Amino acid sequence: EAQVTQNPRYLITVTGKKLTVTCSQNMNHEYMSWYRQDPGLGLRQIYYSMNVEVTDKGDVPEGYKVSRKEKRNFPLILESPSPNQTSLYFCASSLLDSNGAYEQYFGPGTRLTVT
Amino acid sequence: AQKVTQAQTEISVVEKEDVTLDCVYETRDTTYYLFWYKQPPSGELVFLIRRNSFDEQNEISGRYSWNFQKSTSSFNFTITASQVVDSAVYFCALSASYYKLSFGAGTTVTVRA
Repeated sequence: EAQVTQNPRYLITVTGKKLTVTCSQNMNHEYMSWYRQDPGLGLRQIYYSMNVEVTDKGDVPEGYKVSRKEKRNFPLILESPSPNQTSLYFCASSLLDSNGAYEQYFGPGTRLTVT
Repeated sequence: AQKVTQAQTEISVVEKEDVTLDCVYETRDTTYYLFWYKQPPSGELVFLIRRNSFDEQNEISGRYSWNFQKSTSSFNFTITASQVVDSAVYFCALSASYYKLSFGAGTTVTVRA
């Protein structure tokens, strides 16, 4: 089954304690992204990756890091989490098809609370 | 820059009423895609529709229909004969590049029995 998986699904942590949210896709997609969802703001892109070892900032990258060492994995790293990073996080992967259109697949979401 | 505006924050209807969600977008790109997603209380994002900028045909899928009007930069979504299971947050999104979606703030729809 084609899917994007994220772990953990729920996480409560304390300020300053480094954490990693993993994301993995089994569709051999080149493009992967991280979004955060906040009330009244919709989803905003944090980082994206166009291929292995190619990453770039989205709209709200401050406080986050990513890496893309393998095509299937795109972890999101919070080196020193702060309460303003409490949010719902989504990983996504996308494929550009032969018609120039693309499909984007979202993971189930990770609800992070930083106290 | 791309921007999506969903002016309706919350809509509450009684079951079987129709509900229309407004979506207005801004982009300088001539080729782009528009999307609607549903987010039920369980939190996952459910893809509903994708429409490219060259296809202004309206679409109907069961009780759902979409009205794309390029002249007014709008891509509105109507649920006909709403049901309690339609209660969710609905997001409109725009993409002119294959690695990024720009989302609206979302509209929370509550359907009361």
